[in-house]
Amino acid sequence: QQPVQSPQAVILREGEDAVINCSSSKALYSVHWYRQKHGEAPVFLMILLKGGEQKGHEKISASFNEKKQQSSLYLTASQLSYSGTYFCGTERCYGSSNTGKLIFGQGTTLQVKP
Amino acid sequence: DAGVTQSPTHLIKTRGQQVTLRCSPKSGHDTVSWYQQALGQGPQFIFQYYEEEERQRGNFPDRFSGHQFPNYSSELNVNALLLGDSALYLCASSVLAGGPETQYFGPGTRLLVL
Repeated sequence: QQPVQSPQAVILREGEDAVINCSSSKALYSVHWYRQKHGEAPVFLMILLKGGEQKGHEKISASFNEKKQQSSLYLTASQLSYSGTYFCGTERCYGSSNTGKLIFGQGTTLQVKP
Repeated sequence: DAGVTQSPTHLIKTRGQQVTLRCSPKSGHDTVSWYQQALGQGPQFIFQYYEEEERQRGNFPDRFSGHQFPNYSSELNVNALLLGDSALYLCASSVLAGGPETQYFGPGTRLLVL
């Protein structure tokens, strides 16, 4: 039931791009992306709904492929501040509605070096 | 605008003891969710409260119980503590509006069980 994130870890140089994937075996209502820095709370990045869409937030964007039940987070021209652990939280469908219950993946650790 | 607040920030208990953690949601939010995050793992959903009722529950034993007050603040109680209960306990608040709910996390309470 827990979504699977890949890769587990990424090391980048400043300015490089990265993609983080989140796959679920269950039909999803929404996918929520968070970034957590060491010793801090997860910070909300964006939410994607079923129906397939793409969203952007500064140089971070994401897509949701409803057919594959997969979401991808795209980080372009990475900055040092992007370092942290990225989690996807998936929300399953409850009939035509949502459950409000987020199931998180195991996380992807991103390290951006100068 | 105050964000989600939690107290205490750190707590040390011994096996068998009981603990109560507290959470105040973001202003305007009516729903509180609790998560347990073990070191190196993603947050795990414990339960969610709305209108003082438990709306959803994850796979946690009955030793974990909660409460929501009329002012939307919430408590998480854990009885008969085990070593394995050592973790970061996160509270997240949201607005129940019949659609996707963006959850905003508090700083967490770090619990150590000896």
